[in-house]
Amino acid sequence: GAVVSQHPSWVICKSGTSVKIECRSLDFQATTMFWYRQFPKQSLMLMATSNEGSKATYEQGVEKDKFLINHASLTLSTLTVTSAHPEDSSFYICSASYWGRGDTQYFGPGTRLTVL
Amino acid sequence: TQLLEQSPQFLSIQEGENLTVYCNSSSVFSSLQWYRQEPGEGPVLLVTVVTGGEVKKLKRLTFQFGDARKDSSLHITAAQPGDTGLYLCAGGRNNRLAFGKGNQVVVIP
Repeated sequence: GAVVSQHPSWVICKSGTSVKIECRSLDFQATTMFWYRQFPKQSLMLMATSNEGSKATYEQGVEKDKFLINHASLTLSTLTVTSAHPEDSSFYICSASYWGRGDTQYFGPGTRLTVL
Repeated sequence: TQLLEQSPQFLSIQEGENLTVYCNSSSVFSSLQWYRQEPGEGPVLLVTVVTGGEVKKLKRLTFQFGDARKDSSLHITAAQPGDTGLYLCAGGRNNRLAFGKGNQVVVIP
């Protein structure tokens, strides 16, 4: 149980274009979804936290106008990287938690974004 | 400043040997999660510990949460090549996780 999927698993785009990444909880309703970014040989860096139907809470230093998060339902959150640039190339991972499981988060398989 | 320090950062051992890695902090957490991450994949949850002094076993893996809920250890008995991976600890507080940088474990056949 507690399976989280992400789509796409990898994407290559041109500089200046926007990319949308989907995160779905497949067998549970997520109370909260999280978006992380991970650079090579680095740990996970939290970008934002989102709850269904409300605005996302962004971490300090994360541009909310660049990384748009929509949490439309209890099983779906999307991250849109707007006007992507090569420095946005990274591994983006989402996670989800649900009621009664405390702080435990279940992670998706990640999306590798490469901006040319 | 890293909230959680994991040591050693890198560990290489022979198949069949035992190993212990550590996750330390000066902060108190309401829970402590251990994940394993393979290259190019998301972290996979191994265990959650919530009570100070708690010990949990998952086959050959033994996890312990420190009495003061500030630190944790992961012990692997008779390591196998399939245990190779990056082990991440994450402290939970207020519905958020703070991650360490990980313990990279390599088990040589």
